[in-house]
Amino acid sequence: DGGITQSPKYLFRKEGQNVTLSCEQNLNHDAMYWYRQDPGQGLRLIYYSQIVNDFQKGDIAEGYSVSREKKESFPLTVTSAQKNPTAFYLCASRSLGITYNEQFFGPGTRLTVL
Amino acid sequence: SQQGEEDPQALSIQEGENATMNCSYKTSINNLQWYRQNSGRGLVHLILIRSNEREKHSGRLRVTLDTSKKSSSLLITASRAADTASYFCATDGLMDSSYKLIFGSGTRLLVRP
Repeated sequence: DGGITQSPKYLFRKEGQNVTLSCEQNLNHDAMYWYRQDPGQGLRLIYYSQIVNDFQKGDIAEGYSVSREKKESFPLTVTSAQKNPTAFYLCASRSLGITYNEQFFGPGTRLTVL
Repeated sequence: SQQGEEDPQALSIQEGENATMNCSYKTSINNLQWYRQNSGRGLVHLILIRSNEREKHSGRLRVTLDTSKKSSSLLITASRAADTASYFCATDGLMDSSYKLIFGSGTRLLVRP
């Protein structure tokens, strides 16, 4: 099956810990994105990457870090510097060079800080 | 920053009725897209309308776009209980080469059986 996988589905973190959320895609998409969604809210962009070994900050990058060592993978680390990390995290990808195309989303990871 | 604002924030209708959701945005766009999100799940793409299109249909979905008013509407006809979900509009900026979609705040639709 082609698509985007995120793991784990649920993640619990103690305060002061870093945690890494996995995102993998086999769609051969160039661009990948991380969004945060709080209850009853829309999506806010954390980081995005258009090419391997390059990424840009989105609107709420503070307290987060990413890497893009492979085209298929775009892991997100939630660091202890993120003061309110409890949220639903969504990964997405899309092709580049095509103006009229959609983004594909993974199923999400729900992070809870204990 | 959130480009789009959906209206209403929440909508409750009876099965079989039509549901209309509106989206307003601020800057010039290449295209506007609508997505559906079931509770606790990822987003699913519904329909894309280009900036030079005024109306588009897909099954029970009808989308309109008015670039002069910077607004779009999503109509779901003959709604079903399975249509219960949150619906988001997202815009692709005309002058933005980053291929970032900017999402609105969403409309929560409840279809009562």
